[in-house]
Amino acid sequence: EAQVTQNPRYLITVTGKKLTVTCSQNMNHEYMSWYRQDPGLGLRQIYYSMNVEVTDKGDVPEGYKVSRKEKRNFPLILESPSPNQTSLYFCASSLRGRGFIESYGYTFGSGTRLTVV
Amino acid sequence: KNEVEQSPQNLTAQEGEFITINCSYSVGISALHWLQQHPGGGIVSLFMLSSGKKKHGRLIATINIQEKHSSLHITASHPRDSAVYICAVRPSIQGAQKLVFGQGTRLTINP
Repeated sequence: EAQVTQNPRYLITVTGKKLTVTCSQNMNHEYMSWYRQDPGLGLRQIYYSMNVEVTDKGDVPEGYKVSRKEKRNFPLILESPSPNQTSLYFCASSLRGRGFIESYGYTFGSGTRLTVV
Repeated sequence: KNEVEQSPQNLTAQEGEFITINCSYSVGISALHWLQQHPGGGIVSLFMLSSGKKKHGRLIATINIQEKHSSLHITASHPRDSAVYICAVRPSIQGAQKLVFGQGTRLTINP
């Protein structure tokens, strides 16, 4: 089954304790992205990757890191989590068309609900 | 003002009613997406539009590029359609590699 797999689904952690949220897709998609969803603010992009070893900041990158060493994986790293990073996180992937042509839809992971205390 | 505005924010209807959710945006776009977020939190992509109209089962999505407006229609609504529906656009500005999301419309269909 074609899917984006995020782990864990739920995580409670303490301030300052490094954590990684994993994201893996089995569709050979080039484009992957991380979003956070907060009440009243909707979904906002954290980081995205156009392909292996190509990553760039989205709208709210502060406090996050990503890497794209393999096409299928795009982990989100919180080096020193803080309570304001408590949120619902989504990873998404897409088989992008060339240039700016949007040819394909997005597949989203099931989400990771993170609480930082 | 948000770049993507949805209306209404909340909508409650009876089973069988025809539903319309609207999305207006203020930037040039290369595509518009309609997403469905289930009560459990998962997000499913419903449609991607760059022009015209698309239909999938009881769902119809339309877009008017000149007016910067899109609508999502649900015919013969059912309680299982209850979800948050999110409009998202990909700006056509050079280098834009992101989606800009609306705030979502919470739809509740009562039996």
